[in-house]
Amino acid sequence: DAKTTQPTSMDCAEGRAANLPCNHSTISGNEYVYWYRQIHSQGPQYIIHGLKNNETNEMASLIITEDRKSSTLILPHATLRDTAVYYCIVRVPIKAAGNKLTFGGGTRVLVKP
Amino acid sequence: GAVVSQHPSRVICKSGTSVKIECRSLDFQATTMFWYRQFPKQSLMLMATSNEGSKATYEQGVEKDKFLINHASLTLSTLTVTSAHPEDSSFYICSARPAGGHNEQFFGPGTRLTVL
Repeated sequence: DAKTTQPTSMDCAEGRAANLPCNHSTISGNEYVYWYRQIHSQGPQYIIHGLKNNETNEMASLIITEDRKSSTLILPHATLRDTAVYYCIVRVPIKAAGNKLTFGGGTRVLVKP
Repeated sequence: GAVVSQHPSRVICKSGTSVKIECRSLDFQATTMFWYRQFPKQSLMLMATSNEGSKATYEQGVEKDKFLINHASLTLSTLTVTSAHPEDSSFYICSARPAGGHNEQFFGPGTRLTVL
């Protein structure tokens, strides 16, 4: 699976949009971009994933650049409960790959009042 | 839907004892379950992949005789930490992949193990 690079930490203001960048310059054509988050002392929570088109769900939006070498997770209106470590993971979602998820360091997001 | 539970949520044990952690998929069948370990302020590290009815596949550096994994049914996998030592103290997290070709993984809430 391709390696990802994320900022170590970032702060954002409650009620504002939070934009979390992720670089994955070695991504392959069949690799998807997944985002998970982990609130302190809990298991990771799936947020969103995409291949090349932008995606949106009830939690967030995922913007993938045209060359697919980077992406941005957008939390449209951050709340205090969004404080967590956010992981960007690139992988091939096929059975043969064993569906392993390789977690990097992630971005520690602190939402401030 | 897609809820995964772990039991216990927290356990404290003496050095040398064995501890069993259960991972259950509550509303779906999971052909594959994964066990992760997370030390303080570090990321999750995959320990092993557990397939129902077959032997688990361990990641490099993880001792299979120390971390026993049993995936006896489509809704239950267990991780037993044998002869636990203080350095085994960690946050253990499981995830489950639904059967039927679904590619997503759903994570349990984690089990915090403290070995005295």
